[in-house]
Amino acid sequence: EAGVVQSPRYKIIEKKQPVAFWCNPISGHNTLYWYLQNLGQGPELLIRYENEEAVDDSQLPKDRFSAERLKGVDSTLKIQPAELGDSAVYLCASSRGGQGDIQYFGAGTRLSVL
Amino acid sequence: GENVEQHPSTLSVQEGDSAVIKCTYSDSASNYFPWYKQELGKRPQLIIDIRSNVGEKKDQRIAVTLNKTAKHFSLHITETQPEDSAVYFCALRNQGGKLIFGQGTELSVKP
Repeated sequence: EAGVVQSPRYKIIEKKQPVAFWCNPISGHNTLYWYLQNLGQGPELLIRYENEEAVDDSQLPKDRFSAERLKGVDSTLKIQPAELGDSAVYLCASSRGGQGDIQYFGAGTRLSVL
Repeated sequence: GENVEQHPSTLSVQEGDSAVIKCTYSDSASNYFPWYKQELGKRPQLIIDIRSNVGEKKDQRIAVTLNKTAKHFSLHITETQPEDSAVYFCALRNQGGKLIFGQGTELSVKP
């Protein structure tokens, strides 16, 4: 079975520009997660979806970050405008059903804001 | 709030030796404790996990132990090989279902 697919793998933008990341979870996985991973640290949850509903977005900086999962499958995470401190790896993960299952991660998008 | 402390931050061992990484936590309601391995530039991959109703789990050269009373859990890798070199993250699932990760341990296995 195909794993979690993310694109792009790398993105370099100038500050104040918008940027979007895309995630395709494992087929049949209802729960989707977006994480932020700073260099030398563990992943930190930004938002969790159960199907198309965002059930935990308490750590998402809503002034500049937004996410959607319109049909309960693919998801996009957007930053507008990007700031220097947003440079990090953005990881997507999915699990089969509910929050009790194993989470499988994508390879991430490495964002560099100049 | 919930917190996971992971030690050491770096660990260097000779090939064939054992490596032990320990994590401590504060939320007694945590019930699921996975360990992820992340090679440079790659995705975190689950290598072993343990649930709160058992104290130890083993999978070939990898084992995890859990002490719920003392609120700590550890990863044990025996007969280390150069390909075990990576960053290892412990994590726990809190009462709200959220995974909280440790800070990571960079393991280096020298041939």
